[in-house]
Amino acid sequence: DTGVSQDPRHKITKRGQNVTFRCDPISEHNRLYWYRQTLGQGPEFLTYFQNEAQLEKSRLLSDRFSAERPKGSFSTLEIQRTEQGDSAMYLCASSSRGDSYEQYFGPGTRLTVT
Amino acid sequence: LAKTTQPISMDSYEGQEVNITCSHNNIATNDYITWYQQFPSQGPRFIIQGYKTKVTNEVASLFIPADRKSSTLSLPRVSLSDTAVYYCLVGESNTDKLIFGTGTRLQVFP
Repeated sequence: DTGVSQDPRHKITKRGQNVTFRCDPISEHNRLYWYRQTLGQGPEFLTYFQNEAQLEKSRLLSDRFSAERPKGSFSTLEIQRTEQGDSAMYLCASSSRGDSYEQYFGPGTRLTVT
Repeated sequence: LAKTTQPISMDSYEGQEVNITCSHNNIATNDYITWYQQFPSQGPRFIIQGYKTKVTNEVASLFIPADRKSSTLSLPRVSLSDTAVYYCLVGESNTDKLIFGTGTRLQVFP
């Protein structure tokens, strides 16, 4: 399967701890996106990369959040000093530049902060 | 980006045609209409996109009237596996980010 993969699928952490998620996009896609989804809501855009450049960040992405895509391939999303309000599904998606409306999503990482 | 309004939920039975309407009164000239489907515990999946009139693919049809202030996603002969949340999105074709609403939760019964 050459779809978008995310690791881990589930993460339980205690408040105040740091967590890091990984996303591996479809190999030929140069755009990579992070979204967050809470129960009963649609996904909310967090940030996106074109190759290794982070081109846009949502105001939802507080200073505790940082994302990287160092070689223009996989990406990591780190949350520092987690809070209970960070509990959500974190979704990664990728697309080719010319068809960015058709994004391919991974299965997500479900974060629970206790 | 144009705001969209969809029904919160819909019920149907297997074999029926389901039509989900989305209102987008403030749609801009450059905006396209895109629909995504999301199953529980999975990421959303692109279904279809259109600008005007009718678009059809192997999964669904999308009907867009001349004023483009609404659109209808049509799912022919649904099955239990079509139970999902369906999102209507409006924005430029080459948008850098997708803006999702709360979607329409479709429940298909046997």
